[in-house]
Amino acid sequence: AQKVTQAQTEISVVEKEDVTLDCVYETRDTTYYLFWYKQPPSGELVFLIRRNSFDEQNEISGRYSWNFQKSTSSFNFTITASQVVDSAVYFCALGTGNQFYFGTGTSLTVIP
Amino acid sequence: EAGVAQSPRYKIIEKRQSVAFWCNPISGHATLYWYQQILGQGPKLLIQFQNNGVVDDSQLPKDRFSAERLKGVDSTLKIQPAKLEDSAVYLCASTQNWLAGDHGELFFGEGSRLTVL
Repeated sequence: AQKVTQAQTEISVVEKEDVTLDCVYETRDTTYYLFWYKQPPSGELVFLIRRNSFDEQNEISGRYSWNFQKSTSSFNFTITASQVVDSAVYFCALGTGNQFYFGTGTSLTVIP
Repeated sequence: EAGVAQSPRYKIIEKRQSVAFWCNPISGHATLYWYQQILGQGPKLLIQFQNNGVVDDSQLPKDRFSAERLKGVDSTLKIQPAKLEDSAVYLCASTQNWLAGDHGELFFGEGSRLTVL
């Protein structure tokens, strides 16, 4: 069965702290895709990153970085030097076959 | 490039009434999804279209929900009759061609927020 688990329901950090959002996935497919989306208070889901199952290279984009480890079926997301604008709900998602599965999300609050 | 358009943004109805939501995906996107997002939860897939055909509607409560994408472009999601537990945000998303192997990101609309009283 396909499944995405985001164990952290809510996280609060003080501005400029680093924070890591965890994502663990389950799939028996050998080809799959992992995504992170941000959902700010406005409600629209904003795409952040896509990774395919054959590319385990970590990625950095500005203050954002992603760590993909197939051995632990994890795709964690780190925000360095967090800012108030990072406050949002973050969703990890798994795309496989013809389906797209979302985790339950992690609500991040960055306190000024 | 225009994004995914949805309307209405907000709708308040009483239980047992009906409601319809409309979605216009990004031009050229063959795959269209409707998701239901209840407050505090992740989006739950209701139905997936590939052009004008249904790929997956296994989680659509077919006794009250229906959806169509007649010409393979716009789509409509209807609820009749609505129940209190249908209060949620209904998100439409599209992607170029998921089934053909283009596993790009899903582009989402702003959602339609339904409140059932």
